[in-house]
Amino acid sequence: DTAVSQTPKYLVTQMGNDKSIKCEQNLGHDTMYWYKQDSKKFLKIMFSYNNKELIINETVPNRFSPKSPDKAHLNLHINSLELGDSAVYFCASSQGLAGPNTGELFFGEGSRLTVL
Amino acid sequence: GQQVMQIPQYQHVQEGEDFTTYCNSSTTLSNIQWYKQRPGGHPVFLIQLVKSGEVKKQKRLTFQFGEAKKNSSLHITATQTTDVGTYFCAVNDYKLSFGAGTTVTVRA
Repeated sequence: DTAVSQTPKYLVTQMGNDKSIKCEQNLGHDTMYWYKQDSKKFLKIMFSYNNKELIINETVPNRFSPKSPDKAHLNLHINSLELGDSAVYFCASSQGLAGPNTGELFFGEGSRLTVL
Repeated sequence: GQQVMQIPQYQHVQEGEDFTTYCNSSTTLSNIQWYKQRPGGHPVFLIQLVKSGEVKKQKRLTFQFGEAKKNSSLHITATQTTDVGTYFCAVNDYKLSFGAGTTVTVRA
């Protein structure tokens, strides 16, 4: 079984549309993340949740709204998609709380979003 | 938050040769992690370094943490085609921040 799974793997949509990406982890971790990787491979954290509570929000536009129904799931909804939102979005989880003692991150396979 | 500079951005290596990628910070780090991302894949954890001057080896990969805990390096010996990918260092303060990565290509 895949430890961190996210769907869909590919998403192609028009500007202005709304889309969601879902993520689930079966590792029993308390902390989950969304990272955005741009075309230059730069990985930037967007959000972090610990046991369903938002703990990191890295100046992401309000069009991005994460939701964590339980500690095993972290979904990302994006409103009014823009060209600049095209990227690969990675979900990740860790046993430890985000910070110096986070421990290793386990990443999902990524969701490649293309906005036309 | 802490930022880390990673160099070089690209590394073209002849198969069988060695190479090193470096991460440098202006501040003292509590620890540093290394990840590898294969083309089209996702980042995969390689190792975490915590102690000043720490050296860890994984087969042909040697990881070092500087004495001042401000820099780290990854050295790969006898590069193989399976080493292709992007290697990231990542540092922790209240979040895990990734360096820009070193993308490695191998000439057979």
